[in-house]
Parts: sequence; C-alpha cells; structure tokens
Amino acid sequence: AQRVTQPEKLLSVFKGAPVELKCNYSYSGSPELFWYVQYSRQRLQLLLRHISRESIKGFTADLNKGETSFHLKKPFAQEEDSAMYYCAPLNTGTASKLTFGTGTRLQVTL
Amino acid sequence: DTAVSQTPKYLVTQMGNDKSIKCEQNLGHDTMYWYKQDSKKFLKIMFSYNNKELIINETVPNRFSPKSPDKAHLNLHINSLELGDSAVYFCASSQGTGINSPLHFGNGTRLTVT
Repeated sequence: AQRVTQPEKLLSVFKGAPVELKCNYSYSGSPELFWYVQYSRQRLQLLLRHISRESIKGFTADLNKGETSFHLKKPFAQEEDSAMYYCAPLNTGTASKLTFGTGTRLQVTL
Repeated sequence: DTAVSQTPKYLVTQMGNDKSIKCEQNLGHDTMYWYKQDSKKFLKIMFSYNNKELIINETVPNRFSPKSPDKAHLNLHINSLELGDSAVYFCASSQGTGINSPLHFGNGTRLTVT
C-alpha cells in the first residue's frame, strides 16, 4: 500500500539548533515529493519540491531512494520556522493526487 | 485579490442539517480539490475536479457531494451532518495535475457539528 509517514507529531528545538523533520514513503515507482508548510493562521502553502533541488527559507530536502526518505533539514532554526509541516508525495497514476503525511509541528523556542 | 477563497470561514450547525461550503479561485487553474483536516491535523483528499469533471473521488460518504458549475468554482454540499464531520475543510487549486503544478490552498472552513 502507498503510504507516507511522518513519525514525529511534535518537534521542539531551540533557536539556532539544527532541524530535521522526518518523512518516509512507501510508494511504487518513483513519486515526486513535496514539503508543504502551514504557519499559524495562514493557509497551507508549498515550501519546496524535490524536483527543483532548491533551498527555501534555509530548508533543504534530500531524496534518499535507498531509505525511501525525504527528510526536511535546516542548519539553524529560527522562531519564524514554527509551523506545521507536511510531507507530500505525488502519486502520478491515472489521476495524479497529492497525499499528505500526518504532519509534524515544529516549535522553535528561545 | 485572494487566489483561492472559501466561504464561510466558520460554520457551526447541528446534526442532521444540510450545509454547503463554497470555493472560488481566480488563478485560471484547471483543477480544484477538497481536502479534509481532522482534529489531529491529518490532511486527506476528498475530491478533485479537472475542467468541471470529477477525477478523484476518495472513500467519502455519499452525504458529501461536490459541484463544479465552472472551472473556477468547486462547492461542497454536505447532507445530514454528523458529529464526525467536524473538521477544517480546505479547497485548493492547481494548474494541472503533474509535478510542476503545486497546490494553492484556501484559508479553510472550520465546520463544527453539535
């Protein structure tokens, strides 16, 4: 069965500490992967996508096909990074659909 | 100039009632979606329409019926509301359905069934 797992519901780190939000997927083929973020009182929005190999707001995510993981990382957490983060593989089957993980709440404290 | 707008923002109603949530996007996108976010923040797709045609219909009770009068609108009608329907419902749109078509979300509608 196709599945995406974000094992941590809550991740609390101090400002300036490194951050790693875990995401593991179980999909046939090679899905495309995305990270979406929802800041407090804001709408869910795209943070970054694997295909772009980009760094957004200091965040990067490396696709590890061997481990089927797409962890989101940032070397130094900032207060404004506090939000809900969703890992989302895109199932490019007959009808492409984005499936979201259960989400991880990142809490950055002083 | 809101890209994806949903109304109402909050909806409180009693069990057994019928209610609708409206969604409009002004991005010129072809595809629209409804997602449900439960109390544990789990976000799950419900429906997807492409050019007014239903393309995704997940395991959702028949009480939920989407309607797309045109490709800029996707409304969600819910009959005989139940306590378990309480959630935040998000509308989203995308230009297409491929990897280069990120979703643009609305602000959500918080539905509370009492």
